[in-house]
Amino acid sequence: TQLLEQSPQFLSIQEGENLTVYCNSSSVFSSLQWYRQEPGEGPVLLVTVVTGGEVKKLKRLTFQFGDARKDSSLHITAAQPGDTGLYLCAGDPGNTGKLIFGQGTTLQVKP
Amino acid sequence: SAVISQKPSRDICQRGTSLTIQCQVDSQVTMMFWYRQQPGQSLTLIATANQGSEATYESGFVIDKFPISRPNLTFSTLTVSNMSPEDSSIYLCSVEGISGRDYNEQFFGPGTRLTVL
Repeated sequence: TQLLEQSPQFLSIQEGENLTVYCNSSSVFSSLQWYRQEPGEGPVLLVTVVTGGEVKKLKRLTFQFGDARKDSSLHITAAQPGDTGLYLCAGDPGNTGKLIFGQGTTLQVKP
Repeated sequence: SAVISQKPSRDICQRGTSLTIQCQVDSQVTMMFWYRQQPGQSLTLIATANQGSEATYESGFVIDKFPISRPNLTFSTLTVSNMSPEDSSIYLCSVEGISGRDYNEQFFGPGTRLTVL
């Protein structure tokens, strides 16, 4: 059972386009994290959302936490080739201290 | 944030042999974790490395195959034993509790890319 459904799994777009990645669950999360991973490196934490309905912005990246704290989205405006990478959402639905990860979204931004 | 290093960064090994991966953090941390990741795919938790006690393994992973040590609050090792080609993967360590916030935020090492022939 995949507790965090992430979509789409693959996305190939042109530079300048916008995109949204979704992370959905039937479980309630006290917080959700978004990570970005480049080839040959470990995942890097981008943001943590903790409050239902919360919106956080990181330059061209906008993160939203659903009102019920069961889903989250990542929106990138005017994507650039430097945004290319694997995006992962993660959370701890049972407050076990262990994270579960979504399947990941591989983003390719073509110049 | 802390600096997390892993050794080796990559290795090519023969089947039947064992490889020990080291994870070093430049500050004391409570929680350390070991993950496996196929290239381009998501992360699967192998175990939680507990300081001063045995590691806690996830379903599908056993101590005989993946023995873990955690001798202190800054260091851990993961051994991949009696390797087969199916063990070829990226192995990542992560730590929690360094951000000062109680949100299960984890910070990752750069990973060890293992190829078993």
